[in-house]
Amino acid sequence: DAGVIQSPRHEVTEMGQEVTLRCKPISGHNSLFWYRQTMMRGLELLIYFNNNVPIDDSGMPEDRFSAKMPNASFSTLKIQPSEPRDSAVYFCASSLTGGMYFGPGTRLTVT
Amino acid sequence: QQQVKQSPQSLIVQKGGISIINCAYENTAFDYFPWYQQFPGKGPALLIAIRPDVSEKKEGRFTISFNKSAKQFSLHIMDSQPGDSATYFCAANRSGGSNYKLTFGKGTLLTVNP
Repeated sequence: DAGVIQSPRHEVTEMGQEVTLRCKPISGHNSLFWYRQTMMRGLELLIYFNNNVPIDDSGMPEDRFSAKMPNASFSTLKIQPSEPRDSAVYFCASSLTGGMYFGPGTRLTVT
Repeated sequence: QQQVKQSPQSLIVQKGGISIINCAYENTAFDYFPWYQQFPGKGPALLIAIRPDVSEKKEGRFTISFNKSAKQFSLHIMDSQPGDSATYFCAANRSGGSNYKLTFGKGTLLTVNP
């Protein structure tokens, strides 16, 4: 099993640029989560999909953030325009029942 | 409230010693309490989890102790090894069979010295 796959693993961009993070969940999992991790705020849930439908996006910081899940095997998190305070590690996670499985994360640096 | 308070922030233990990390929660509706282990550059990985119908769960060297009346739960790592050095997160939610709305503690950086 390949686990949750995220790309890119590292992204460095300039303020104002658009950033797109990608996630492929574990096959057969019906729940997908986007988390953000920073030293100050720890792990924060940004958005939760169930069966490809966004259930709760209350953790999305502001309108600059958007997420889509066009099918069961792919999701994107987009930041437009990006700001330095968006610098963090972004994790995608998926689950069916029982444990939640995290991807390796995308380290985003906005200069 | 949704908070989960975790302590200590960091912990240094000698090889072979016992590592103890504590968490406290406020929401009495929480019924699922997992612990995650995170190595540098990796995503958190589920280590062990407990539900409030038992007071203790053991898997190998890892044990969760749960005190429902005190709203506290802790992770004990017996015979700690240098390979256990990682950041540990407790979490909690009202699961209903789902991982939705897991509330994470701020994490404990464990260092096990050889």
